[in-house]
Formats: sequence, C-alpha cells, structure tokens
Amino acid sequence: GQQLNQSPQSMFIQEGEDVSMNCTSSSIFNTWLWYKQDPGEGPVLLIALYKAGELTSNGRLTAQFGITRKDSFLNISASIPSDVGIYFCAGTMGTAAGNKLTFGGGTRVLVKP
Amino acid sequence: GAVVSQHPSRVICKSGTSVKIECRSLDFQATTMFWYRQFPKKSLMLMATSNEGSKATYEQGVEKDKFLINHASLTLSTLTVTSAHPEDSSFYICSARYLLGRYNEQFFGPGTRLTVL
Repeated sequence: GQQLNQSPQSMFIQEGEDVSMNCTSSSIFNTWLWYKQDPGEGPVLLIALYKAGELTSNGRLTAQFGITRKDSFLNISASIPSDVGIYFCAGTMGTAAGNKLTFGGGTRVLVKP
Repeated sequence: GAVVSQHPSRVICKSGTSVKIECRSLDFQATTMFWYRQFPKKSLMLMATSNEGSKATYEQGVEKDKFLINHASLTLSTLTVTSAHPEDSSFYICSARYLLGRYNEQFFGPGTRLTVL
C-alpha cells in the first residue's frame, strides 16, 4: 500500500530558528496536506497544496508540493514556543468524494532544553 | 468555520460494555466523515469511511461488527465500540470532508480518549 516517509521523526528547536521537515512517497499524490497536532487534541489543518510545484504560505509556515508529486516539505520560520507539537503530512490521490488520506509518521517538534 | 466536534472527549468504561462516540460538523455539511484511531506517539490509522445515508467502508483488518458506524445526517456520524475490551483503549478521532470546499480538505475533531478497564 501507499506509504509516506516523514523526516525527521523529531527535532529540537530554539526560539527564532527556522525548521524544516519533509515527506516522500513511493506513489504520486494529487493533494498534500500538512497538519499540526497538540497533545490530546485532533490535528489542525495548516496548509493544503493542490498543484505540483505549488508553494503556499500561511504566516510563518511555507509548504511546497514537489514537482514529481511524490514529495512535500514544510518550513517554519522564526520558531516560537507554541510551534511545539507533532506535524503530520498527508496525501490523497484523487478528487472524487470520500478520498482517503495517507498520513506520514509525524515529526515531533520539541524545545531545546 | 469548518469546526468539527466530538463527544465525549473522554470516557472510561468497564470491559464488555458498549461506548458511543459522536462526531458533528458544526458549521458545514459533510457527506463524508472518517474515523481514525491513534496509539500513543503514533500516526493516525484510518478505520473507516462514513458516507451519509449509506454503509460505512471499513479498512482492512477493522472489524465492522466491533466498530459500528452510523452516518444519519450531513452533520452527524457516530462510532459505537461494542463489547469493549482493554485492547480497544485508544484515542479515536473523526474528520469531516467539507462538502462545498476543496475536494480533499479534511477537518478533524478534538478526539475521544477511550479507556476500557
């Protein structure tokens, strides 16, 4: 089945740093989505990407849909403490109703001690 | 907009009892809702796709008689864990696909923590 490889699995951030994470797939996706999940909460949609090569920003977040349709990255600029959480990439294939999402394993963002 | 609620947020039950979890789209209509299960420090695992007015589609390995799904309206889907056992303890999350929005945006509820004693 489809699999999304998300890296890194975890990272430590220091306030003000830029951070980056990415997802790669063995299959083509038509849509990439990035979510953030706080402990004990459901994922919150951050950015949705619909076209190969598309670069989209949402505040300090920037994500790109890879040209091959098999990868995507998410950048967070000037990180702040509330950026801590788990970030998931997710991909889906088509545009018909009821399309399923395939999730990456998540990137756990932690604050440097 | 695009708010999804879940009730209850947390439930503790005895082994052998059934538990119902509700998922509601509060400010939009959702023909399709999805139910996920998440283990600690793991990613979300899709259990089933719920379509309004029709039977749910279950993922491979998910027991449909164990996890009953009903999608009675465009804003409500329910998941019933029947004869719950400790191994059913998990974080259950629903999502709803926004009918009038982009095809593939799913909005998630806050999750329900189920603990079976």
